[in-house]
Amino acid sequence: DIQMTQSPSTLSASVGDSVTITCRASQTISMWLAWYHQKPGKAPRLLIYKASVLESGVPSRFSGSGSGTEFTLTISSLQPDDFATYYCQQYASGSRTFGQGTKLEMK
Amino acid sequence: QVQLVESGGGVVQPGRSLRLSCAASGFTFGNYAMHWVRQAPGKGLEWVGIIFFDGNRNYYRDSVKGRFTITRDNSKNTLFLQMNSLRAEDTAVYYCAKGPDHGDTYYFDHWGQGALVTVSS
Repeated sequence: DIQMTQSPSTLSASVGDSVTITCRASQTISMWLAWYHQKPGKAPRLLIYKASVLESGVPSRFSGSGSGTEFTLTISSLQPDDFATYYCQQYASGSRTFGQGTKLEMK
Repeated sequence: QVQLVESGGGVVQPGRSLRLSCAASGFTFGNYAMHWVRQAPGKGLEWVGIIFFDGNRNYYRDSVKGRFTITRDNSKNTLFLQMNSLRAEDTAVYYCAKGPDHGDTYYFDHWGQGALVTVSS
């Protein structure tokens, strides 16, 4: 299976900050990457698919980029609702795998 | 709006069986692939398996092949996960999740609230 590695594992930031999370794949996945966030006790929510396409209803402060094996999720001007755990997921092949998660916490 | 509501979770002994259901509404259920994704307590997300829109194709992760079966009833807008020979490592919250198309694209655009399955003696 393709391994997905996110960095950092934990990220501390303040409301209004801009942050970037990185996701690396163990082999090329073209642009077949999605990003989700999840709050404690809740289901994940899709943010971005095909590496950079914003899901309907997701605020424009979220953006994604990358292709091949390296991808980034950027959140500009953090809002209180954005503090959550973020996961990347490849859907190129095999058992579609997730990264281990990045917890975005309030500084 | 899309709604997915899981039911059937609970505590089960190792080696026993359990069936989860997922009631779907707010979209044309029979047009979309459906998935199960699980999350062990305090851990990350793990894809379990898929059933294509018409129920004619399934794929599973290796660790559940031969033990778990996904089916669907498009006339009742319901998805099922039959879990047999359960192991302690199957303990997790199980989410049903909707795919964006008939089945060729494996990301998840809507999720249920999850059903907790605990495998313990």
